[in-house]
Amino acid sequence: AQTVTQSQPEMSVQEAETVTLSCTYDTSESDYYLFWYKQPPSRQMILVIRQEAYKQQNATENRFSVNFQKAAKSFSLKISDSQLGDAAMYFCAYKVNNNDMRFGAGTRLTVKP
Amino acid sequence: NAGVMQNPRHLVRRRGQEARLRCSPMKGHSHVYWYRQLPEEGLKFMVYLQKENIIDESGMPKERFSAEFPKEGPSILRIQQVVRGDSAAYFCASSPLAENYEQYFGPGTRLTVT
Repeated sequence: AQTVTQSQPEMSVQEAETVTLSCTYDTSESDYYLFWYKQPPSRQMILVIRQEAYKQQNATENRFSVNFQKAAKSFSLKISDSQLGDAAMYFCAYKVNNNDMRFGAGTRLTVKP
Repeated sequence: NAGVMQNPRHLVRRRGQEARLRCSPMKGHSHVYWYRQLPEEGLKFMVYLQKENIIDESGMPKERFSAEFPKEGPSILRIQQVVRGDSAAYFCASSPLAENYEQYFGPGTRLTVT
């Protein structure tokens, strides 16, 4: 069974600084997809970034980037120049082809002004 | 292109009643997924449907829960004889016919059982 582990229930960062959220996963598949979703208080799930396992290059989306270590089964999210609007729950997720997603338990990020 | 629509956004039911949650996928999407989120937890997969077919219901409780995605109309998640433990946020997601796309989530339905 595929599992996703987020070892940091809560993280805090000063506005304008950088924070890294950790995620590890367990799988026997070689081809899969990894995602980071953001869930603000509105509870809407918003896709932050995605990574295809076959791509060695780490994905980036503006201030968001990932450190994908396939051998270590690690997929951390780095948020640079943190903004107050980044405060939310962040969920790491794993998916094989068109099947369901497996989510981690989430990390609550607080941004201090 | 409207996003994934879910209604109602909030639903209150007494123990023993039935709850019906609706999900309209994004236009052009034929794959629908239902997830449940308990307080302070991540989303847990329940069921995956394509039009008129249940593809994977391995995450669905064996009793009281059912789902459908008819040829016409929204996908329905039905919970019969609700209990307090069913109180949660239920999210629907959809994806296009092609494989290997991320899932687009609706705003969720918060079910409260009193």
